[in-house]
This record gives sequence, C-alpha cells and structure tokens, in this order.
Amino acid sequence: AQKVTQAQTEISVVEKEDVTLDCVYETRDTTYYLFWYKQPPSGELVFLIRRNSFDEQNEISGRYSWNFQKSTSSFNFTITASQVVDSAVYFCALSEAERGSTLGRLYFGRGTQLTVWP
Amino acid sequence: ETGVTQTPRHLVMGMTNKKSLKCEQHLGHNAMYWYKQSAKKPLELMFVYNFKEQTENNSVPSRFSPECPNSSHLFLHLHTLQPEDSALYLCASSQTLAGSSTDTQYFGPGTRLTVL
Repeated sequence: AQKVTQAQTEISVVEKEDVTLDCVYETRDTTYYLFWYKQPPSGELVFLIRRNSFDEQNEISGRYSWNFQKSTSSFNFTITASQVVDSAVYFCALSEAERGSTLGRLYFGRGTQLTVWP
Repeated sequence: ETGVTQTPRHLVMGMTNKKSLKCEQHLGHNAMYWYKQSAKKPLELMFVYNFKEQTENNSVPSRFSPECPNSSHLFLHLHTLQPEDSALYLCASSQTLAGSSTDTQYFGPGTRLTVL
C-alpha cells in the first residue's frame, strides 16, 4: 500500500486564484515527519517544509500555508494568490522515525503537477 | 558553490558505454542518497550512504555501482545500461541518519540520463 497518496495528478488555475494540494499519508509510527517539496521544470527538488507528528499547529509562510490534521492523516498545502512561478510538480513525503523503520527513508507521493496560467 | 551540485546535468550514452555521475554537497552533511525519477513513476530510492558507509541498496541492478569516497562526494558509476534506465537521477544529502533522527534531505538539480 502506498504510504503517501496525492490524489490530484494535475491542477490548473489562473493567476491569483488560491489552490490546495492534498496529501494523505499512512503510517503505524507515532513519531514521523512530513515534508513538501517543489520540483520546477529545472528538475531540482526544493525543500518547502518539514513537520513532525507532534506539532499539529498549522503553518503559514508568505503565500504558502500547511494544514496538518492527524485525525484524517492529511497534510494539505495551500498557495494563496497563485503566480505563474508557482507552476511546478509538488511532492508530499513521509519519513518514519521509530525503531524497525528504515531511518532516513523518504516515502514520496506521486506528485501533483500545478499549472498556473497568466 | 552552495547546496548540492551534480554533474553532468545531461548525459546521453550508448548501452555499451561506461560513465559516472558525480554529486557534491557543500552543506557539511554526513548522509547522501541516490534517487531515480522515471516518467510517471514515484521517486525511487536507490542507495543510501551514512558517514561513507552504504546503509541501503534498494535492490538496484549491479549495472549501477555507487561510490562514496568521503562525506561530501558521491558517485554513481554506470555500465551496460538499458534504455529503460533513462531517467532523472537525483542526489540528496542530509545531516545524519543517526539514532531516530530523520533530517531533511536537500536535493541537487539532477542528471538527465538518456540511454540509446
């Protein structure tokens, strides 16, 4: 079974619209970390955020915000007032931190291709 | 140079060639990783090195041979590849794998490999 599911394969929006990228994860560990990465056309995965399982406080960074809900095993990512430069593939990832898990392994979702039109 | 660098950025090779991919991290990290990203497939972890020691080989064919001479450099030696090996090969590094820490991995720009 997939540990990280990003159900939205592709999303298209027009500039200035808000957009939410969904991420649902699965783990038996009580200690784990969740990540979001951005992959622009150049190929490099750019780290956006890391959140540990004990911190459910939502986070805002400029136009980016993240909603972590353990009750639904979701870690959704919202871009407010989207811009053309936000066009990229966005990956959600999970890392499990307890004994018996493969330490350091990142389980990636399949990614969501976001296209922002001018 | 800052962050994680990879060379070459693009590589075209025949199935009988031998080539190497290079990764260098300037972050003072101790763990390094190779990933493969094929079209329409999830990112696949290939190898993990922690303090120059290989800690994971994710059932990668022997035509891929990693080398980690020190904590800052990671190589992927390629020989007798197949066309299905064409992909983006990404290198990453993190502070450490020690204990229960799962530090953030920082990625390089990747090498786009085409096998003819």
